[in-house]
Amino acid sequence: DGGITQSPKYLFRKEGQNVTLSCEQNLNHDAMYWYRQDPGQGLRLIYYSQIVNDFQKGDIAEGYSVSREKKESFPLTVTSAQKNPTAFYLCASNPTGTDTQYFGPGTRLTVL
Amino acid sequence: GENVEQHPSTLSVQEGDSAVIKCTYSDSASNYFPWYKQELGKRPQLIIDIRSNVGEKKDQRIAVTLNKTAKHFSLHITETQPEDSAVYFCAARWKTGANNLFFGTGTRLTVIP
Repeated sequence: DGGITQSPKYLFRKEGQNVTLSCEQNLNHDAMYWYRQDPGQGLRLIYYSQIVNDFQKGDIAEGYSVSREKKESFPLTVTSAQKNPTAFYLCASNPTGTDTQYFGPGTRLTVL
Repeated sequence: GENVEQHPSTLSVQEGDSAVIKCTYSDSASNYFPWYKQELGKRPQLIIDIRSNVGEKKDQRIAVTLNKTAKHFSLHITETQPEDSAVYFCAARWKTGANNLFFGTGTRLTVIP
């Protein structure tokens, strides 16, 4: 787990602004994921990427965008099109051929 | 996709008692079932997992059972301790997805000293 970092830990933005959340891993993992967590709900998949320069939409991709230009990095942009962006965002990764996903420490985004 | 239901949403037990959390899934092709523990404000941590070719797995005080026919799996914690207090999530991997996990809504376990 220590090999996955997210920044910042807390983020405040005004409504209508785009914001980018950072996720970096030094574990040489191929696959990376972004989840959103709301109170009383489980984690919901936003986007995932199995390889550099390729990514796929998850269940709740509307209003979000990602890029995967480097194996180590998978940033998530929360756009103004996301209707209710306030949530806890978790990044995860797992090595190819294994099942276990390892999570980063999360970013708590609050839109004012 | 997959649909995972988790019960109960909250659970309180006395220290030393056992705790059981149950999950059901909808897609019979799902083949991997992890359990995560999440303390307040922290990242989820994998505590145990089971694959569809196994019926039960134990790791010290924690065990998971899987009933493929009924499409449900359960987490069992014995001799609970206050540090077991956390939110527990079950998940199921949708076989046709790229290791995509579908999570239950979580169980808040409180162990009363």
